[in-house]
Amino acid sequence: EDKVVQSPLSLVVHEGDTVTLNCSYEVTNFRSLLWYKQEKKAPTFLFMLTSSGIEKKSGRLSSILDKKELSSILNITATQTGDSAIYLCAGHAGGTSYGKLTFGQGTILTVHP
Amino acid sequence: DADVTQTPRNRITKTGKRIMLECSQTKGHDRMYWYRQDPGLGLRLIYYSFDVKDINKGEISDGYSVSRQAQAKFSLSLESAIPNQTALYFCATSEPGQGYNEQFFGPGTRLTVL
Repeated sequence: EDKVVQSPLSLVVHEGDTVTLNCSYEVTNFRSLLWYKQEKKAPTFLFMLTSSGIEKKSGRLSSILDKKELSSILNITATQTGDSAIYLCAGHAGGTSYGKLTFGQGTILTVHP
Repeated sequence: DADVTQTPRNRITKTGKRIMLECSQTKGHDRMYWYRQDPGLGLRLIYYSFDVKDINKGEISDGYSVSRQAQAKFSLSLESAIPNQTALYFCATSEPGQGYNEQFFGPGTRLTVL
């Protein structure tokens, strides 16, 4: 059974801090690792990672995949209160489960002013 | 207009009642999914459908059933609701153009079973 585990489960920081969120996966016929941000509504897509060692970047957010370690990290620099959200990672399976995502528990990030 | 819509957005029901949650999409995607979200458990897949004739169980399908009435519509039913089905339910879609990697989520239905 596919499994995705995130850590920490919750994190409280102050504005300006840098945070690193972790995701480890065990996914059959792994195709990609995705990160989503969820505020008080539906998850919204952040990044898709398919190749090891290649950083994806969007503003203050960046992410990288390590296929050898079956893990990924999401970094947020100079955090702002608007970064407060649940961050979800998901593994995308291939083979007969092509298109099926397995999500981690999520990391609840709270950024205080 | 939202591309993926869910109705109702909120529902309170009683134990033993049958309830249906509906999902519609205008994105033209062939694949649709139902998830439930509970605090601390992330999103868990209930059922998924790769096209109108292809429906598959996810990791937590017990107590649920689905119907794919058309490419654009995917309904989730709870035949006899129980309190531990109280959760936030999301519908999602995906398409081959993105390698089915990215899923697009509806706004969610908050279901409370008393």
